[in-house]
Parts: sequence; C-alpha cells; structure tokens
Amino acid sequence: DSGVTQTPKHLITATGQRVTLRCSPRSGDLSVYWYQQSLDQGLQFLIQYYNGEERAKGNILERFSAQQFPDLHSELNLSSLELGDSALYFCASSEGLAGGGTDTQYFGPGTRLTVL
Amino acid sequence: DAKTTQPPSMDCAEGRAANLPCNHSTISGNEYVYWYRQIHSQGPQYIIHGLKNNETNEMASLIITEDRKSSTLILPHATLRDTAVYYCIVRVRDNYGQNFVFGPGTRLSVLP
Repeated sequence: DSGVTQTPKHLITATGQRVTLRCSPRSGDLSVYWYQQSLDQGLQFLIQYYNGEERAKGNILERFSAQQFPDLHSELNLSSLELGDSALYFCASSEGLAGGGTDTQYFGPGTRLTVL
Repeated sequence: DAKTTQPPSMDCAEGRAANLPCNHSTISGNEYVYWYRQIHSQGPQYIIHGLKNNETNEMASLIITEDRKSSTLILPHATLRDTAVYYCIVRVRDNYGQNFVFGPGTRLSVLP
C-alpha cells in the first residue's frame, strides 16, 4: 500500500459525458501528478500540482482539467468523453525537495475508466 | 530527460537473480536513475534510485557503471511475484518534483 488513494476504482460511462477522478496523496506530500495509461500509449504524464499550484503540463487534452485543493487532494476532470479516453488513470504524490523531503513518487492503485 | 533503452522482455528462473539492464548513454551529470515496476495493471511501484554510487535496499540492488551510461537492477532471489514490467527512468531532481517519462520497460517473467 503506497498511501495514495484513488476513487473510484472503476468508472463506466458513455461518450460525451463528464467524470471526476479523485486522488488523496500520502500524508505530508505536497506534489500530485496525474498519468494516463492506455493500451497503445503506455504511461503518459498529464499534469502536476505542487501545494495547490500547477507546476507542469504534459500531454493533457483541453477537455481535461485538474486542480489541487487546500487539503492537498486533487481531482482530474474529464469532459466530452470519447471512446479513446478509456484508460487507467494513475495519481502519484511526492514530498518535494523544497520541503526537505524526497522527490520519490508513490503511485495510487488507479481508476479504470471505460467509455462506451 | 535522457532516454533509456531496455530489452522488451526477459525470463528468469524462480530463486535465481534477475539482472535487468538499462542503457542511458546520454545521461547528464545531474540526472538520477530510477527504477519502478508495474505488476499487471496496478500502480507503478518504486524500487530504487541512484546517482552514481551503487545502491541497495530491501527490494533490490542498483549497479551504475562508472561512466553512468548504463545500469543494472538486480533482484537477488526472484520469486513469481516479481513478474512485472520494470521501468528504468532517468531524470533530474527538482525542488518541487518532476514528472517521469516512462518508456515501454522490460517485461520480466519469473518462471517456476
């Protein structure tokens, strides 16, 4: 158990819909990262937040957005869903060196999204 | 971030050492080598990381060549539960954290 929790575990929805994935980082971790893993693309970085502020963006579609709240949990919002958005979505967290911690990332168990 | 090259797959007999190679010939001086593994569709699991010295923890050992252009992850006594995809990643360390760039990794099959 990495200490990172993600809900829900599974999500089945239809094209055109909107969903929200939730991530709670490990206690004390300030950085949260979102990754997408689809069969044909492997693990791809989407976006990172550090202490509530967006730090880096990867291959995140404009239909996707995220935020990190004051209690440090994060949500990934996916809208106008397409069949190709079906994937595993992982959240990871790390302390961050700035706070005197390590930058090792610990991953959650993921949310499996199926778009029908 | 420097790119890494790993063999797509490897087999290892249960109880034997599994040696997983990684080539990172364009690594720069401030880039660390990280190893993660992913068992089936679970979240990637941190194994070990290092800069230039060899490292060992309860899971594995990391051997980095003197020129830092390659490294080897060693699982000393592989078990069936070590069957997974192993990712070698190199990246700089950042005060606020930095994302990983995952390649296809090595699929290790531990055989009974």
